[in-house]
Amino acid sequence: ELKVEQNPLFLSMQEGKNYTIYCNYSTTSDRLYWYRQDPGKSLESLFVLLSNGAVKQEGRLMASLDTKARLSTLHITAAVHDLSATYFCAVDISPFTGGTSYGKLTFGQGTILTVHP
Amino acid sequence: KAGVTQTPRYLIKTRGQQVTLSCSPISGHRSVSWYQQTPGQGLQFLFEYFSETQRNKGNFPGRFSGRQFSNSRSEMNVSTLELGDSALYLCASSLGTGGYTNEKLFFGSGTQLSVL
Repeated sequence: ELKVEQNPLFLSMQEGKNYTIYCNYSTTSDRLYWYRQDPGKSLESLFVLLSNGAVKQEGRLMASLDTKARLSTLHITAAVHDLSATYFCAVDISPFTGGTSYGKLTFGQGTILTVHP
Repeated sequence: KAGVTQTPRYLIKTRGQQVTLSCSPISGHRSVSWYQQTPGQGLQFLFEYFSETQRNKGNFPGRFSGRQFSNSRSEMNVSTLELGDSALYLCASSLGTGGYTNEKLFFGSGTQLSVL
């Protein structure tokens, strides 16, 4: 069974600081997603990482994927208060299951990020 | 382009009742997936429909069911509600084709179900 683990689960940061959220997964995959969720709101797609070594950047967020290590990172640069949210990584293994995992993403537990002034 | 629409936004039910939730995907999307989100279990996959056929199902009891209509709109039904069914139910749509059937999932705002 695929397991996806994020750490840390809680992250309290000061504005202006840098930090990294880690996402480890337990089985072969080369597609990983990062989502953001604000309280009471839906999931907003941040990044789709499609292959080993993929790196995507948007504003103060940068995501990378190492399929050999089964690890993705979400790096936050010079945090601002607006980045406070819960961040989820999710793994797609559908091509590796003969198509039996259609529509299914396996999510990590989420990292609750709070950025303080 | 309109996003994924879920109705209703909030529901309050009592134990033993049944409930139906609705999801309208983005125009042109043929795949609809449903997820349950709770503080304890996180986000868990319920099922996925594509062209009116259920292609995949998660590990939920038979009280949870769904269907998809020819216009790709989907409904999920929970019968004999239990307290533990209280959750945010999210649906997501995607094109649903290709080797990676998820491509990019677009999530709706969810239905918050409270079971009393």
